[in-house]
Amino acid sequence: GENVEQHPSTLSVQEGDSAVIKCTYSDSASNYFPWYKQELGKRPQLIIDIRSNVGEKKDQRIAVTLNKTAKHFSLHITETQPEDSAVYFCAARGNQAGTALIFGKGTTLSVSS
Amino acid sequence: NAGVTQTPKFRILKIGQSMTLQCAQDMNHNYMYWYRQDPGMGLKLIYYSVGAGITDKGEVPNGYNVSRSTTEDFPLRLELAAPSQTSVYFCASSYSTGGGEKLFFGSGTQLSVL
Repeated sequence: GENVEQHPSTLSVQEGDSAVIKCTYSDSASNYFPWYKQELGKRPQLIIDIRSNVGEKKDQRIAVTLNKTAKHFSLHITETQPEDSAVYFCAARGNQAGTALIFGKGTTLSVSS
Repeated sequence: NAGVTQTPKFRILKIGQSMTLQCAQDMNHNYMYWYRQDPGMGLKLIYYSVGAGITDKGEVPNGYNVSRSTTEDFPLRLELAAPSQTSVYFCASSYSTGGGEKLFFGSGTQLSVL
């Protein structure tokens, strides 16, 4: 089955800096890669996703890149703000009908002002 | 729409007790999921369902059972609770795959087994 590795486990940046979180996946047939943000005590929420036919996707200050050959994808947050502090999870889903999302272990991002 | 509703929010069990975590969604989603979240371990898939009457094991199914008799409900049963099942449990739902994979999570159930 699918296995998703996520690095780093913790990341501390200064406000205004950029943050990058990286994930690798094992199943070359996976075709959907979302990122979820979980604030303290809250439920995870989707912030951006990318499909295997796209190399990059951007939404304001966040962007995701995908390298299918290397089986890795990354989340980029620019101009970080204190409200970006949260746990971020990457995930992958195979292309077989009826498969479910497999998540990485998460990255705790701390943005200090 | 209430979205995905989980009950209870908190529960303490004694070792060997059983309980059912309830999950209901009112979005007419076909797919429903149970994940558990342990500190530093991310979200682990326990069971999922692609429609009423169909369930499948995830990454960590041992010690749990599920059923899906209706589109709306997807209860998770813990039999003979063990301390290793202390965790936060999230139920989620989504549309069928093919463009609607966004997961809608419930607010979670914090379970302690002592």
